[in-house]
This record gives sequence, C-alpha cells and structure tokens, in this order.
Amino acid sequence: EDQVTQSPEALRLQEGESSSLNCSYTVSGLRGLFWYRQDPGKGPEFLFTLYSAGEEKEKERLKATLTKKESFLHITAPKPEDSATYLCAVNTGNQFYFGTGTSLTVIP
Amino acid sequence: NAGVTQTPKFQVLKTGQSMTLQCAQDMNHNSMYWYRQDPGMGLRLIYYSASEGTTDKGEVPNGYNVSRLNKREFSLRLESAAPSQTSVYFCAGGRGDYEQYFGPGTRLTVT
Repeated sequence: EDQVTQSPEALRLQEGESSSLNCSYTVSGLRGLFWYRQDPGKGPEFLFTLYSAGEEKEKERLKATLTKKESFLHITAPKPEDSATYLCAVNTGNQFYFGTGTSLTVIP
Repeated sequence: NAGVTQTPKFQVLKTGQSMTLQCAQDMNHNSMYWYRQDPGMGLRLIYYSASEGTTDKGEVPNGYNVSRLNKREFSLRLESAAPSQTSVYFCAGGRGDYEQYFGPGTRLTVT
C-alpha cells in the first residue's frame, strides 16, 4: 500500500535553531516528491519538487533532499515567519498522496 | 492573474441537501484536482481530471461527482450531503506529474 509518513507531528524551535523535518514514503513507483507550506486557513503553497535520489533543492532558509526511502526538509536559522505546517506529497503516476504534515512553530 | 479560485469560501448544509463547489484556474493547466483535508488525515484526493473531457476517481470518491466544464473550470458536486463530508475542500491545478497549485479552500459543514 502506498504510504507517506511525516515526522515529527509538531516541532517548536527557537529563532535561529536549525532542524530537519522528515518525510518517509513507501510507494510503488515514485514519479516525484513535493514539499508544500500551509498557513492556517489557506491552501498549500508549493515549495520544491524532487525527482531522483540524491537531488537537492534550496530556497532561502529551506533545503530539501531526497533518498530512495525518504526526504528531508532542512531549515537553517529559522525565523518566526517560517512558522507553518509543512506537507510532503508523492506522485505515483496516477495519484498524489500527502502526509499529515509537520506543524512548525518558531519562537522569537 | 488570480491562480486558482474557489467558491464559496464557507457553506453550511443540512443532511441530504445538495450543492456544487466551483473551481476555476487561469494558469492554463491541463490537470485539475479536488482534495479534502481533515484533521489527522492529511489531504486526500477525491477526483482528478488529467485533461478537458476526462475525469478519474481518486482515493475517496464515494458521495461525490465532478464535471470538467472546460479547461478552466472543474466542479465538485455533493448530491446528498452527509455529516461525514464535513471538511475543507481544496481544488488544485497542475501539469501532469509536476507540482500542483492550490486554491484557498471551501469550508463545508454538514449538520
């Protein structure tokens, strides 16, 4: 069964305290792995796409990496405005499956 | 350039009532999607349309119907609403295997 699991469910960081979010997946044919950011009461906002193991993408304080079993979203020196829920999704060709997200709070 | 728009933003229905959620995109995407988001469940795909004139079931299609009216518009219909359909509904547009762009959501409560 295709499955996407994100950990931790919630993460509280002090401003400037770097950390990583994990997305592990079990799918029968990965066509792409996606990271989104979702603010309360809004739709998910696209961040990154990764297609093959070893690939990395960066944007400001965020860096996404991919292996054959999991992806990490590294947050370097986070700021309060990085507080949001981060969603991971995989595309198997016919379907997109989402994880339940990591709720990140960055404390000033 | 509005991206993906959804109407209405909020809706309260009684059990058994019907309604249609509207979605439109101006990003020239071939593919469009309907998801529901429930606490602890994540986003789940209800239906998608890979191109104008085609629709396919997703993970949780029961109780829903869709219409791809044209390239821009993709509607979701609840024929007889049930309390289990209380959720936040998101429409998205995309290009096949690539990233999706989401609308702001419709918050539906069925009493």
